[in-house]
Amino acid sequence: EVQLLESGGGLVQPGGSLRLSCAASGFTFSSYAMNWVRQAPGKGLEWVSVISGSGGSTNYADSVKGRITISRDNSKNTLYLHMNSLRVEDTAVYYCAKVELPTGTIDHWGQGTLVTVSS
Amino acid sequence: EIVLTQSPGTLSLSPGERATLSCRASQSVSSTFLAWYQQKPGQAPRLLIYGASSRATGIPDRFSGSGSGTDFTLTISRLEPEDFAVYYCQQYGNSLWTFGQGTKVEIK
Repeated sequence: EVQLLESGGGLVQPGGSLRLSCAASGFTFSSYAMNWVRQAPGKGLEWVSVISGSGGSTNYADSVKGRITISRDNSKNTLYLHMNSLRVEDTAVYYCAKVELPTGTIDHWGQGTLVTVSS
Repeated sequence: EIVLTQSPGTLSLSPGERATLSCRASQSVSSTFLAWYQQKPGQAPRLLIYGASSRATGIPDRFSGSGSGTDFTLTISRLEPEDFAVYYCQQYGNSLWTFGQGTKVEIK
């Protein structure tokens, strides 16, 4: 059974930094691209970033480019999201998600971790 | 960037009724790259439909997807109590993903 377990969320001041983690199990982690998708309170889903199975290719939404870095450690079956220069508008539940390529289908989601940016 | 527009924003229906949800793309999308998700309050989204019309594992056959080009539809043939939720369409292309703003299916 595929399991994705996020951690690392919390309260941070504007301009601060945070690192989210996602522990994966139940599938061959290194064979799959992984996404981060976020959801602001009461709002819809917003794609944030993707990383290839090897970690050699990444992409970011324009809203986070230059402030957020996605990475993975395939030896630990763990996905990361390094978040810097955080803004109030980054407040959201952050989901890690397993991606099926080439279709881009997101076939499994974690339960999410809440990031609150506030002074 | 392709924009997905879902309509209506809210659909008020009774259990047993048919629900028809629309997703319109700002430019043509290959059916291969179009998916639908269901999200209930306090839960993560769940994959319902991929490739515009294929049901994901474990999804009941009352859920069906159709469409091509710029117009896609999710149909729930007879609403069950557990189907009242928010539904999102999503497309993939050029290593980025976009989601529609969602349609809430609520009990009338």
